[in-house]
Amino acid sequence: RKEVEQDPGPFNVPEGATVAFNCTYSNSASQSFFWYRQDCRKEPKLLMSVYSSGNEDGRFTAQLNRASQYISLLIRDSKLSDSATYLCVVIQTSNTGKLIFGQGTTLQVKP
Amino acid sequence: EPEVTQTPSHQVTQMGQEVILRCVPISNHLYFYWYRQILGQKVEFLVSFYNNEISEKSEIFDDQFSVERPDGSNFTLKIRSTKLEDSAMYFCASDSIELAGSYEQYFGPGTRLTVT
Repeated sequence: RKEVEQDPGPFNVPEGATVAFNCTYSNSASQSFFWYRQDCRKEPKLLMSVYSSGNEDGRFTAQLNRASQYISLLIRDSKLSDSATYLCVVIQTSNTGKLIFGQGTTLQVKP
Repeated sequence: EPEVTQTPSHQVTQMGQEVILRCVPISNHLYFYWYRQILGQKVEFLVSFYNNEISEKSEIFDDQFSVERPDGSNFTLKIRSTKLEDSAMYFCASDSIELAGSYEQYFGPGTRLTVT
């Protein structure tokens, strides 16, 4: 089983749509969770950390369900500039900060 | 805004040659990382480095790989004898980890390594 699993997509949505991405992780002892964004041939950039209570940053909402080992990202009112690959990222039990990446979900927002 | 820089942006080398990829992490960061991403695949952890020593390395990071922080600002990844399968984008990252569990790794723009 993959350590971090995502639906690769692509998700093709019109501008203004709401879109949700899901991610599952295999290690129940995982400690920290993130969503990163990666544009084509660019470096990953931290979008937001994910907390157990859920957290929101503008149009973006992240949720964590530890019991189901499931992480989600909701994007409301999609913009053309949201087109990118969204990476689900986990830190397991090490204290070295090693990030474990999912393969990413590609989002294409169309006018 | 402080940023991680990497040089070169693209490196072409012949199989069997040594390459050194260079990174300048954010100045007050203490934790340094190398990741790689083969075209079309996920980002993979290679190594983490703290207090002038490797704190963790992956199975990919075999004897052909080494890291060094030679002068307090640069952080380098050396591949001693490159193989075709080493062709990938190599990302350097750094982190301050000021708060327990508050990991915010900042990535450099990457070096695209092509082994021919």
